Amino acid sequence: TQLLEQSPQFLSIQEGENLTVYCNSSSVFSSLQWYRQEPGEGPVLLVTVVTGGEVKKLKRLTFQFGDARKDSSLHITAAQPGDTGLYLCAGARVYSNYQLIWGAGTKLIIKP
Amino acid sequence: EAEVAQSPRYKITEKSQAVAFWCDPISGHATLYWYRQILGQGPELLVQFQDESVVDDSQLPKDRFSAERLKGVDSTLKIQPAELGDSAMYLCASSQGTDSYNSPLHFGNGTRLTVT
Repeated sequence: TQLLEQSPQFLSIQEGENLTVYCNSSSVFSSLQWYRQEPGEGPVLLVTVVTGGEVKKLKRLTFQFGDARKDSSLHITAAQPGDTGLYLCAGARVYSNYQLIWGAGTKLIIKP
Repeated sequence: EAEVAQSPRYKITEKSQAVAFWCDPISGHATLYWYRQILGQGPELLVQFQDESVVDDSQLPKDRFSAERLKGVDSTLKIQPAELGDSAMYLCASSQGTDSYNSPLHFGNGTRLTVT
């Protein structure tokens, strides 16, 4: 059973377009992290969200944590080829000693 | 910026052979993780160390996998015997503590294992 569902699994768009990817669960998380992973490399942390309804911005990337802390979204404005990668979300559950639960990722390709 | 070092980057081995991976975490990071990532999937935790002690190895296939962190610094993950299904990326990560918010994970670039 996948506790964190990411959608879409794969997205290919043209440079300059906007996009949103989602991370959904029926479980409540104390915090949720977004990572980007490029081919042949390890994941790199982009952001951590903690408070329900929280919105964080990282240049053209906007992250939102759902009010109930069960879901999150990542919106990219004017996507660039450098945004290409695998976007992973990971949630920390309080009652499991903050162990991270990982989604399967969204593979994003931005075509020039 | 300090990095998590892993070696080798790539490993090809025949099934039933033994294979080992090495990880050197960021200096001062007490927590070390080994993850397995199958292509197209998210990382799966194999084992978590706090200093030299194992705090979670519930997902480690102990009949063939072993991990150690003898001095609480670098770590080795071993597979013996390797099976075709073990082909994956093996990622090591480290953090200062166990609270993922205050102690984010830093990943190495992984070892890509191919079992033939």
